[in-house]
Amino acid sequence: QSALTQPASVSGSPGQSITISCTGTSSDVGGYNYVSWYQQHPDKAPKLMIYDVSKRPSGVSIRFSGSKSGNTASLTISGLQAEDEADYYCCSYAGSSTYVFGTGTKVTVL
Amino acid sequence: QVQLVESGGGVVQPGGSLRLSCAASGFTFSSYGMHWVRQAPGKGLEWVAFIHYDGSNKDYADSVKGRFTISRDNSKNTLYLQMNSLRAEDTAVYYCAKEIHAFDIWGQGTMVTVSS
Repeated sequence: QSALTQPASVSGSPGQSITISCTGTSSDVGGYNYVSWYQQHPDKAPKLMIYDVSKRPSGVSIRFSGSKSGNTASLTISGLQAEDEADYYCCSYAGSSTYVFGTGTKVTVL
Repeated sequence: QVQLVESGGGVVQPGGSLRLSCAASGFTFSSYGMHWVRQAPGKGLEWVAFIHYDGSNKDYADSVKGRFTISRDNSKNTLYLQMNSLRAEDTAVYYCAKEIHAFDIWGQGTMVTVSS
């Protein structure tokens, strides 16, 4: 149950695109199409942004997109906005009803 | 409106016990698997425990196995987490979450502090 690996921080200017990577193993990210991404603002509960690798819940901006290749999943935020500044966590199903989260990435809008 | 509300957090001494509750509303609670996820101060999210929609299957993170017990009462639309033998490293905000192969609904969290 080792945490998935994410970069500690990613930054970009308004309007730019950024990508956050999430690296696991064949026992989690690579083994299932159940990767999800969460946005967390300070002192707030996490919010689901992407599920099943690339699906967006109702109400989430189309600027958020997800993908996966092998043991690495990615979240891309296009047209970066000030409100996107937050912590982002990936999460993967790891079998037997267990889940593992990523280490988290702080996104800064310059 | 779909909502999860946690309660039961507080300050407890090392070795002590605490029971958290999570009241669900706005959806058919008995149809969904439920989880507990925690976040230590200034740290990332950590998956803690899972319970099947009917309580028939449960699983735990290695860090809490043998000390924590997850349960549910579908007649009361409530999820529980019994925490025993608490340690300083269990200090965290505890969230309950509804699962659809992702955690689509989260509570606001309840703070547990283990300190003497």
